[in-house]
Amino acid sequence: KAGVTQTPRYLIKTRGQQVTLSCSPISGHRSVSWYQQTPGQGLQFLFEYFSETQRNKGNFPGRFSGRQFSNSRSEMNVSTLELGDSALYLCASRPGTGSPEQYFGPGTRLTVT
Amino acid sequence: SQQGEEDPQALSIQEGENATMNCSYKTSINNLQWYRQNSGRGLVHLILIRSNEREKHSGRLRVTLDTSKKSSSLLITASRAADTASYFCATDAGGSYIPTFGRGTSLIVHP
Repeated sequence: KAGVTQTPRYLIKTRGQQVTLSCSPISGHRSVSWYQQTPGQGLQFLFEYFSETQRNKGNFPGRFSGRQFSNSRSEMNVSTLELGDSALYLCASRPGTGSPEQYFGPGTRLTVT
Repeated sequence: SQQGEEDPQALSIQEGENATMNCSYKTSINNLQWYRQNSGRGLVHLILIRSNEREKHSGRLRVTLDTSKKSSSLLITASRAADTASYFCATDAGGSYIPTFGRGTSLIVHP
């Protein structure tokens, strides 16, 4: 099976802009989670989508949002970008029930200038 | 907030030596996982140990879990240069299966 893919891999944006990141999970996986990784805060959970519904949410402001499509692909949107949003954004998928094992994509490196 | 905390933060060893990393956590868990991350890339799942298990093996990896001490250890035997990476423990509790990650241990294996 193909692994989790994320696009784009690298992105440079300006403060105040918005950005959309995309994630395609492993075929058959219905759960997609998003994480933000920074040197200062480490790996932090943003949200999880399962069958097109947000099932769990981390402690991030409303500028961070996401959605999931019927084919389980997911997008994450960050509006009104701040310098502190510069990070590696990781997407992970899993079948959705019964096991916590996450399969991660390579990440999108977002730089906000 | 981090649930698990890895120790040491950094570890430097020679190829062929064993590497041991520890993870401590604060509240009761359902599962504990170890992941590896090569520089700036995605995480790779290494091993899952459930709260009712005490030890698991996978190849050169050995994981132990002591729920009374709220701690786990990851042992990599006969380390190789390719094992150079950051290693994270992740715990989950309740029914969400959402793992909370520690800060990681940076392992450097010198050839």
